[in-house]
Amino acid sequence: NAGVTQTPKFQVLKTGQSMTLQCAQDMNHNSMYWYRQDPGMGLRLIYYSASEGTTDKGEVPNGYNVSRLNKREFSLRLESAAPSQTSVYFCASRRIREKLFFGSGTQLSVL
Amino acid sequence: DQQVKQNSPSLSVQEGRISILNCDYTNSMFDYFLWYKKYPAEGPTFLISISSIKDKNEDGRFTVFLNKSAKHLSLHIVPSQPGDSAVYFCAASRGGSEKLVFGKGTKLTVNP
Repeated sequence: NAGVTQTPKFQVLKTGQSMTLQCAQDMNHNSMYWYRQDPGMGLRLIYYSASEGTTDKGEVPNGYNVSRLNKREFSLRLESAAPSQTSVYFCASRRIREKLFFGSGTQLSVL
Repeated sequence: DQQVKQNSPSLSVQEGRISILNCDYTNSMFDYFLWYKKYPAEGPTFLISISSIKDKNEDGRFTVFLNKSAKHLSLHIVPSQPGDSAVYFCAASRGGSEKLVFGKGTKLTVNP
């Protein structure tokens, strides 16, 4: 049982480059999330998707776009990466109103 | 506007003693609360949750208390073990929304 799978695990970008972080879950969960974790800032919600076909902004959506490709997959795109987007990114999923399951994270550095 | 606050960045306790981690929230519409534990280089893992219809929930060594009037919840770990050393996050959501927000976390160190 893979749970929540994120790729890649590590990535280094140059300022202005674009990339997409992939996330897939195999638990048939309705809701999916993208968080970023920064020192002293905790886990901040970037975007979430309550169901297939819907997405909503979280606390820090600027500079990001998301796609809920189907029920299993929720991707996060950085169109023009900035050093301020250096962070650890976590994807998560859950059934409605239940506990959240997290992936193992993507460590992104933007130089 | 931080809706979930964990005001203690760190906490240190002795093995075998009680650890108490605190969390405050500002949105009175929050009705579901969760605690997560995170080790370095891993994703957060679920510990325990509580609905606003309860004021206490226990699971083994972990107990969460909810004080709705004070908009405050706490996580008690008894007895504390060195393996409990991690960062603990409090999270909250409100009915009718799947948005789930976290606090900044408290780093717990349990000394042998």
